[in-house]
Amino acid sequence: DTAVSQTPKYLVTQMGNDKSIKCEQNLGHDTMYWYKQDSKKFLKIMFSYNNKELIINETVPNRFSPKSPDKAHLNLHINSLELGDSAVYFCASSPGTSGREQYFGPGTRLTVT
Amino acid sequence: KNEVEQSPQNLTAQEGEFITINCSYSVGISALHWLQQHPGGGIVSLFMLSSGKKKHGRLIATINIQEKHSSLHITASHPRDSAVYICAVTGSARQLTFGSGTQLTVLP
Repeated sequence: DTAVSQTPKYLVTQMGNDKSIKCEQNLGHDTMYWYKQDSKKFLKIMFSYNNKELIINETVPNRFSPKSPDKAHLNLHINSLELGDSAVYFCASSPGTSGREQYFGPGTRLTVT
Repeated sequence: KNEVEQSPQNLTAQEGEFITINCSYSVGISALHWLQQHPGGGIVSLFMLSSGKKKHGRLIATINIQEKHSSLHITASHPRDSAVYICAVTGSARQLTFGSGTQLTVLP
């Protein structure tokens, strides 16, 4: 049983396109996250979300938007893709909102050409 | 300057050696996390701690809140321990802030 799953694993697309990455967790967790890992392997929080509150990292362009159809899913939608969006995107989940252990998805490697 | 600093950036050890990776942070935190990223890219949470010391198998994590410092130790290192080890903290924004990671290579 996969705890946190992401689809697709690889995504290659052209500049200007709109794409979505899906994330699902079957752990019953309240909070989900999206992280971006750049080419130097540095991880950075993009969003954290539970059913009450969305916290957005202020450095994230508004072309990125999280969409949560229900507590088990947090999808990442990206408009007007740019070359600099190429990275690995990780979804994660945790019980509660602060200082709890997080469980990571396998990552989605996005390449924008 | 990053809020979370790790050292060393790269570490090569011989199988069986005792390994220490250090993490210093400059902000108030509610918890500190040690993560492992495998060569295939997956990320696993190793420890979450807010005080003292935790042990899991050959891995030990310690934290000194007053000094804002944590260490991850690996005893009797093995080639399968080769991975990137990442320190992260949960601060006032209730989100994880990451260090730049330590690439560990254990040679047989």
